[in-house]
Amino acid sequence: ETGVTQSPTHLIKTRGQQVTLRCSSQSGHNTVSWYQQALGQGPQFIFQYYREEENGRGNFPPRFSGLQFPNYSSELNVNALELDDSALYLCASSLSQQVYGYTFGSGTRLTVV
Amino acid sequence: DQQVKQNSPSLSVQEGRISILNCDYTNSMFDYFLWYKKYPAEGPTFLISISSIKDKNEDGRFTVFLNKSAKHLSLHIVPSQPGDSAVYFCAASGGGNEKLTFGTGTRLTIIP
Repeated sequence: ETGVTQSPTHLIKTRGQQVTLRCSSQSGHNTVSWYQQALGQGPQFIFQYYREEENGRGNFPPRFSGLQFPNYSSELNVNALELDDSALYLCASSLSQQVYGYTFGSGTRLTVV
Repeated sequence: DQQVKQNSPSLSVQEGRISILNCDYTNSMFDYFLWYKKYPAEGPTFLISISSIKDKNEDGRFTVFLNKSAKHLSLHIVPSQPGDSAVYFCAASGGGNEKLTFGTGTRLTIIP
């Protein structure tokens, strides 16, 4: 049973650029949730995808968008990057839309300069 | 608005003693609470959870206590081991909401 895989592990972008982060969900899981963890903070919910549809969104602007594919993998896209977007982005997969049974990936460390 | 608070950023405990990590919440709609452990360069891993219909849940060395009237929960680790050194996050969900609300974490250091 494979776990949750995120890519890339690290990247550096310039303010104003766009970035795409990727997440492969754990085998058998159909739900993916994305979280942003800023330095010294706890993870904050960005949005969740269930069977390719957005199912809940946190307090993030529309320049944060996502996709889920038929194999349940997911992408997080961020447009017009700002310095405050620098953070660890965590992806979690689960069997259903509930929070029980989340499996987190190791995250993507994004630095915006 | 920090709905889940972990007021101790760090905690040091002697190996073999009890570690107690605390968490407070403000949202009365929360009905499910979880503790996660996080090592550097890894994602959070689930440790233990508790539903609001219970006041205690135990799993090996880990016990979570929930005091609903005080909106407070705590994680007890006994005996503490060096491998327990990590950042611990308290998280909550509820009201049919499909998201977790996390605290800011407590860095636990076990001193050999």
